[in-house]
Amino acid sequence: AQKVTQAQTEISVVEKEDVTLDCVYETRDTTYYLFWYKQPPSGELVFLIRRNSFDEQNEISGRYSWNFQKSTSSFNFTITASQVVDSAVYFCALRPVAGGGADGLTFGKGTHLIIQP
Amino acid sequence: EAGVTQFPSHSVIEKGQTVTLRCDPISGHDNLYWYRRVMGKEIKFLLHFVKESKQDESGMPNNRFLAERTGGTYSTLKVQPAELEDSGVYFCASSEPGRHNSPLHFGNGTRLTVT
Repeated sequence: AQKVTQAQTEISVVEKEDVTLDCVYETRDTTYYLFWYKQPPSGELVFLIRRNSFDEQNEISGRYSWNFQKSTSSFNFTITASQVVDSAVYFCALRPVAGGGADGLTFGKGTHLIIQP
Repeated sequence: EAGVTQFPSHSVIEKGQTVTLRCDPISGHDNLYWYRRVMGKEIKFLLHFVKESKQDESGMPNNRFLAERTGGTYSTLKVQPAELEDSGVYFCASSEPGRHNSPLHFGNGTRLTVT
């Protein structure tokens, strides 16, 4: 069984501060994918990143960066110089690399990020 | 390119009634998924279609839920009869054919309230 834990239910910071959203996962699979999704107030889930368990390189995309640590089963997400538009619920998710691809994502409960002006 | 479209955006029904949710995936996406988020809990996988075939329906909670995808295009999720615990947000997602690592593209969800 898989499990994704996002221990931070809600985080509130002032604009321009850096903020890190934690994600810890459990899986017995040796190969898997990790994802982050953003859910803005409009409701849709927006894909942010996919990381293969083979690739532990950190990734940076603009103000967003992700730190994948296989040794600690963590896939943390950092927003640098946060902006009000970053306010949303962020979900971390796990998906095993099953042979047939007939697998669903296992989501964490989400972290509600509030950026105050 | 149009995204995943779900209809209706909101639905309020009474316990015992029937509701049908619709999802139109991104054109050309063979994979279609249904998920739901009950208040305060995780987003849970319900089922996965590959074209018109149910590939994995291990997440369907019980036989009051029926999903179809006739013709392999849009999908419907029917709840009959609805119970209070069915309230939540139902998400549909689609992904490219044949690639199990392709990201899922989600719709805006349907917020279902059963009173």
